[in-house]
Amino acid sequence: GAGVSQTPSNKVTEKGKYVELRCDPISGHTALYWYRQSLGQGPEFLIYFQGTGAADDSGLPNDRFFAVRPEGSVSTLKIQRTERGDSAVYLCASSPTSGGADTQYFGPGTRLTVL
Amino acid sequence: AQSVAQPEDQVNVAEGNPLTVKCTYSVSGNPYLFWYVQYPNRGLQFLLKYITGDNLVKGSYGFEAEFNKSQTSFHLKKPSALVSDSALYFCAVREAGATNKLIFGTGTLLAVQP
Repeated sequence: GAGVSQTPSNKVTEKGKYVELRCDPISGHTALYWYRQSLGQGPEFLIYFQGTGAADDSGLPNDRFFAVRPEGSVSTLKIQRTERGDSAVYLCASSPTSGGADTQYFGPGTRLTVL
Repeated sequence: AQSVAQPEDQVNVAEGNPLTVKCTYSVSGNPYLFWYVQYPNRGLQFLLKYITGDNLVKGSYGFEAEFNKSQTSFHLKKPSALVSDSALYFCAVREAGATNKLIFGTGTLLAVQP
């Protein structure tokens, strides 16, 4: 079946601009996660949704970052007033439920470059 | 606080030889442990996980990992390496009942020489 998909695969923007990154989870998965992976590092947690609500947003670095999942499926990560330090690969993952033992399945990521 | 350590940035092994990629973790309670592999310009692919039960876990592509509670380790192993196993490997942990987010190590680059 179809895995997690993310669009765009690459995004280049200028400092100060607004960007939106999209994630389509595996069909039927109720939990959705966003992570950020900087060069040479492991993924770092940003936010997790159970259904439509953000169950844990403790990883969002500041109030320029926001994410939504209005219908409990597709999610959008929004970054305002982008900075060069936001450059990274943004990974989305989904799991069947929010149960701790569930495997998180990752998408291919969106590479964001802020010039 | 939860943490994961992958002490080796890179592991080199000859094709056909056994491989081990090391991982140690720190959580307050019981751990759920995961291994993922990342090929260039691709997302993370799930290999295997330890939740409970048998300490030896078998996963995809012939990989296995052994959970050792006393040493707080979860090393990834394969009896015979393939050149196609060359990739970046990440260990991750989440604390049972505490959080749903995964805490990842910094990754280990596995290079298998033909």
